[in-house]
Amino acid sequence: EPEVTQTPSHQVTQMGQEVILRCVPISNHLYFYWYRQILGQKVEFLVSFYNNEISEKSEIFDDQFSVERPDGSNFTLKIRSTKLEDSAMYFCASSKLAGALTDTQYFGPGTRLTVL
Amino acid sequence: AQRVTQPEKLLSVFKGAPVELKCNYSYSGSPELFWYVQYSRQRLQLLLRHISRESIKGFTADLNKGETSFHLKKPFAQEEDSAMYYCALSGQETSGSRLTFGEGTQLTVNP
Repeated sequence: EPEVTQTPSHQVTQMGQEVILRCVPISNHLYFYWYRQILGQKVEFLVSFYNNEISEKSEIFDDQFSVERPDGSNFTLKIRSTKLEDSAMYFCASSKLAGALTDTQYFGPGTRLTVL
Repeated sequence: AQRVTQPEKLLSVFKGAPVELKCNYSYSGSPELFWYVQYSRQRLQLLLRHISRESIKGFTADLNKGETSFHLKKPFAQEEDSAMYYCALSGQETSGSRLTFGEGTQLTVNP
């Protein structure tokens, strides 16, 4: 069964550095998402992406964040200048459809980002 | 605004006992409700969704719009049900279908 994959599984970075988290969604899916989970807190929506543009973003997703689908398979989340509070597990998800009838979102295993 | 509340962080039952994981939501429009499960060292995966009205692994959940609840139930818990359970909501009026998650309930089924 196809799965969403994410790399790396764990990323350690220094505060102020840029990081890029990578995701390969399921191949015939059209909608892509990033969520994050700070340790001990709930899973929070960051951004959704469709047809090469952001379709929705949360208040967390400020100018420090950007998303891109650089080729036909990868979906990336970039954090320009990391802060300590960006330390979290970042989940990528994809779905075939969205909108009026929400399709199932399939989640990747997550990337644990640690900012020192 | 969308909000999901799971009042129990931890729930412990014995094998064979009934289990109910509570979920309440707040949303002004027509919600879609989901239960996701995360077994130890595995990814988040969909357990069931209210529009399917089906039973998965013996679990059922009924959307109660009057009480704004979507509690997850199983009549006879099994040890393999031990996992983290997340209730989630998606608003049909929202494009992109963001999921709003509850805090999660860690279910432990003891032998």
